[in-house]
Amino acid sequence: KQEVTQIPAALSVPEGENLVLNCSFTDSAIYNLQWFRQDPGKGLTSLLLIQSSQREQTSGRLNASLDKSSGRSTLYIAASQPGDSATYLCAVESTGNQFYFGTGTSLTVIP
Amino acid sequence: NAGVTQTPKFQVLKTGQSMTLQCAQDMNHNSMYWYRQDPGMGLRLIYYSASEGTTDKGEVPNGYNVSRLNKREFSLRLESAAPSQTSVYFCASSDVLRTGAETQYFGPGTRLLVL
Repeated sequence: KQEVTQIPAALSVPEGENLVLNCSFTDSAIYNLQWFRQDPGKGLTSLLLIQSSQREQTSGRLNASLDKSSGRSTLYIAASQPGDSATYLCAVESTGNQFYFGTGTSLTVIP
Repeated sequence: NAGVTQTPKFQVLKTGQSMTLQCAQDMNHNSMYWYRQDPGMGLRLIYYSASEGTTDKGEVPNGYNVSRLNKREFSLRLESAAPSQTSVYFCASSDVLRTGAETQYFGPGTRLLVL
């Protein structure tokens, strides 16, 4: 069974700092990996999707990388802003239509 | 586009009561999913439907049933609610990108409390 782990569970940084969130998974046979953002009391919003054949994806200040062989992904956020404060979750699709989520990293960006 | 909508937003049940959570999407997606989110556990897949007329079990299907009513709607039923089913329930639908990958779109969630 696929296990997805995210470290750290919580992170607090001053505004403007660059930061890295980590995601690891136990079974490297994945179709893709997706990073989501969740605001308190809300649903999830997709940020980036990396297919298994890709190494990274970028969107604005966000860059996600994938190392399938080592079972790791990172989400890099450049020049963090208070509006980036949220919980960030990663999810892997191991077999068709089966998605496994990590427990998330709660990010607070202090003005 | 409303995206993925869920009703109700919040519900309180007594143990043994039944209820149906409703989900609808207007993005013409083939696949739909039900998840539950519990503190410290992350999201766990309950059931999914890869296309209209098909449903399959996910990681935690016990105590739940689903119906894919049509392409737009996917409902989740609790026949006899238990306190262990207190959770936040999310519905999602997915789109197959041109590249063949699937990205998921989530509803706002239903918060269920079983007493």
